[in-house]
Amino acid sequence: SYELTQAPSVSVSPGQTASITCSGDKLGDKYACWYQQKPGQSPVLVIYQDDKRPSGIPERFSGSNSRNIATLTISGTQAMDEADYYCQAWDSNTVVFGGGTKLTVL
Amino acid sequence: QVQLQESGPGRVKPSETLSLTCAVSGYSVRSGYYWGWIRQPPGKGLEWFGTIHHSGRTYYNPSLKSRVTISVDTSKNQFYLKLTSVTAADTAVYYCARTDGVTGTTAFDMWGQGTMVTVPS
Repeated sequence: SYELTQAPSVSVSPGQTASITCSGDKLGDKYACWYQQKPGQSPVLVIYQDDKRPSGIPERFSGSNSRNIATLTISGTQAMDEADYYCQAWDSNTVVFGGGTKLTVL
Repeated sequence: QVQLQESGPGRVKPSETLSLTCAVSGYSVRSGYYWGWIRQPPGKGLEWFGTIHHSGRTYYNPSLKSRVTISVDTSKNQFYLKLTSVTAADTAVYYCARTDGVTGTTAFDMWGQGTMVTVPS
């Protein structure tokens, strides 16, 4: 079965750029999306189709996907961005989630 | 405004069947979206159960398929999850969500608040 791998945690200083990666075999040939989940809340879609932002998502969130790695980038990270982030892709009629990355804003 | 609301028993005994309902408001399940179930064990990541179209066509997670049934009732604007032979490992927050399809571009753009289900060990 297809697997998506994420680092368990990433730390960033306020105002800096955070990069969260998601790796999978030939992931660049698929579309990746990203969800943000804050404690006690439901996930929120922040990036879809690799690099598109849903309405209401701040411009500081951006995405890319190439070869085997999809990347969620948060520019000018704010304290409110501290959350768990999950990547997701579709493979062989199956939705696959990454294990999640906890972003800490120090 | 589209809203999804999960409901069901908060506690299910081992070996029994878990049944959950997702009530959709502000949008017809017959419209051009699909509907899915995802769960999250305490302190862990997201796991997809399956996705259904209003026509009844379903797509299941192969690792759970033998125990899962997802159905839809368009007259009630609801869809459902049944999970058989539950164990403590099925303890999780269960979410229903809307997705734009079952292709490579699929993403869940609307989520319910989630409902916690506990299976005692």
